[in-house]
Amino acid sequence: EDQVTQSPEALRLQEGESSSLNCSYTVSGLRGLFWYRQDPGKGPEFLFTLYSAGEEKEKERLKATLTKKESFLHITAPKPEDSATYLCAVQAGSGGSYIPTFGRGTSLIVHP
Amino acid sequence: DAGVTQSPTHLIKTRGQQVTLRCSPKSGHDTVSWYQQALGQGPQFIFQYYEEEERQRGNFPDRFSGHQFPNYSSELNVNALLLGDSALYLCASSLTPGQISPLHFGNGTRLTVT
Repeated sequence: EDQVTQSPEALRLQEGESSSLNCSYTVSGLRGLFWYRQDPGKGPEFLFTLYSAGEEKEKERLKATLTKKESFLHITAPKPEDSATYLCAVQAGSGGSYIPTFGRGTSLIVHP
Repeated sequence: DAGVTQSPTHLIKTRGQQVTLRCSPKSGHDTVSWYQQALGQGPQFIFQYYEEEERQRGNFPDRFSGHQFPNYSSELNVNALLLGDSALYLCASSLTPGQISPLHFGNGTRLTVT
């Protein structure tokens, strides 16, 4: 069974204090790893797709990286508007099903 | 470009009742998936619809059923509601199953069962 574990569960940062969120996974045949941002009362919003170890993607203050066992979401000089829950999901397997498995998310609060 | 829309936004029901939630996918998407998200948890996969058929199903009882219409919109039905069914129900659309592509979510329906 595919497993996705995110850590920490919650993270409080001061504005400008850089940090990283972790997503570790145990799957058979990774096809793609996705990062989403979810604001309270809203649906998740897609951020990045990573397909293979060594790949990196960047968007504004966010940078996602991927190894064979985990992914990191690095947040550089965060601002209060970066406060949200960040979800990681993996698509894996064979046979064309590819239903994503989600982690529980990391709740990030950035204080001004 | 219209994204995924869901209705209603909030719903309060009593145990034992039945509920129907609706979803219109993002333009250009033909696949709809439904997820249940309890407070503090990640989304849990309920089922996926493509070409008006249920293609994949998660670990949810038969009380949960769905439908997809020719215009790709979808409904989620839950019968005999339990208190534990209280959650945010998310609809997500995507490209044809089998492709590695991100999900596009609506803002969900918050269901409260009393």
